[in-house]
Amino acid sequence: QSALTQEASVSGTVGQKVTLSCSGNNNNIGIYAVGWYQQISHGAPKTVMFGDSLPSGIPDRFSASKSGTTASLTISGLQPEDEADYYCSTWDYSLSGRVFGGGTKLTVL
Amino acid sequence: EVQLVESGGGLIQPGGSLRLSCAASGFIVSSNYMSWVRQAPGKGLEWVSVIYSSGRTYYVDSVQGRSHISRDNSKNTVYLQVNSLRAEDTAVYYCAGGTEWLQLDYWGQGTLVTVSS
Repeated sequence: QSALTQEASVSGTVGQKVTLSCSGNNNNIGIYAVGWYQQISHGAPKTVMFGDSLPSGIPDRFSASKSGTTASLTISGLQPEDEADYYCSTWDYSLSGRVFGGGTKLTVL
Repeated sequence: EVQLVESGGGLIQPGGSLRLSCAASGFIVSSNYMSWVRQAPGKGLEWVSVIYSSGRTYYVDSVQGRSHISRDNSKNTVYLQVNSLRAEDTAVYYCAGGTEWLQLDYWGQGTLVTVSS
């Protein structure tokens, strides 16, 4: 059981806007910034967002937000190459460790 | 260009030990935050350990007491030692580096550890 809860799967069509969510509590998401990581076909993960910052080289169709204990990753204008597993992660104060969500499998129809 | 290259994986018997290495180039391990993250077959990502630039370390409960993260500044390399290996330690182990706390800016390609008799 992951400390952070994500949808198991989300799908969308090319050009559509999709939002992935990550739910935690006041020991993690409620007090720390959240990172989002893309993993394509079980290759090496890649950071696509940290907090509300877009890393260099990541398309600006990716954005992120947080409200209370829920974080969200939005992809506006979905592309076929966005099909991947997406993980959220942050620190957990009570666990004194980093936690990951279980991951969301994003399918581009 | 930043590169993180893991090594040291392989087939290990239950109860054995492993030491994984993460050699960095274009990135100074002693000045940044270096983490190990693992992924069991068909499963999600699981954080294992982190070493701060200050030298402070943290571990996930499942490896606490049988793991040690360290670095060799002269080799610009981070290590993860795990003892008393169990089948559930079987995973691809990724090294990741962050320039700020909580960031995982750079990832290695991973090294596979299989614990089996």
